[in-house]
Amino acid sequence: ETGVTQSPTHLIKTRGQQVTLRCSSQSGHNTVSWYQQALGQGPQFIFQYYREEENGRGNFPPRFSGLQFPNYSSELNVNALELDDSALYLCASFRQGIKETQYFGPGTRLLVL
Amino acid sequence: QQQVKQSPQSLIVQKGGIPIINCAYENTAFDYFPWYQQFPGKGPALLIAIRPDVSEKKEGRFTISFNKSAKQFSLHIMDSQPGDSATYFCAAPQGGETSGSRLTFGEGTQLTVNP
Repeated sequence: ETGVTQSPTHLIKTRGQQVTLRCSSQSGHNTVSWYQQALGQGPQFIFQYYREEENGRGNFPPRFSGLQFPNYSSELNVNALELDDSALYLCASFRQGIKETQYFGPGTRLLVL
Repeated sequence: QQQVKQSPQSLIVQKGGIPIINCAYENTAFDYFPWYQQFPGKGPALLIAIRPDVSEKKEGRFTISFNKSAKQFSLHIMDSQPGDSATYFCAAPQGGETSGSRLTFGEGTQLTVNP
């Protein structure tokens, strides 16, 4: 088990609602990445946070946003949920300069009805 | 953006067999390639990673072979066990110091090891 934790483990929302997912990084890790994994597919990079600022973004619309806090924990916010947002949301943490040890959390399973 | 093609999509072997999973990449702007193992309902777990300056790396029963000229790398699992049954993903970074941590994943290989 890695030291990356995520909450909640499961979540059910309806289309149009907003959701906030949380991630606690492994101790000593100052960078957090978020990924979306649809069923049967590999994870897709959403964005990354370092020093509380977004420093990289994948092909996701602005309704996907995030935050990183001084203790390196992070949030992923998704507004105006769509059915296709149903997926496993993963966060991964690592220490800048040691990206080879990027560890993933267990994920949050989001179902949008 | 780095593209990664992974094969096969699924693989069934007998206990003790040596499953081999292959990945091909396009962009040469990389500095490491990780492999992840994922069990149902769990997040991907880092299995092993290789840098382009070596052709092979072993960790326990897991070996990565790297062919730079062919832009391919593969995962071999020696003496496979039923507990190795999982989905395996190869990945490649986008390149660069800060962006190099953005991983592009392959499509995944579902491995089944029969007793």
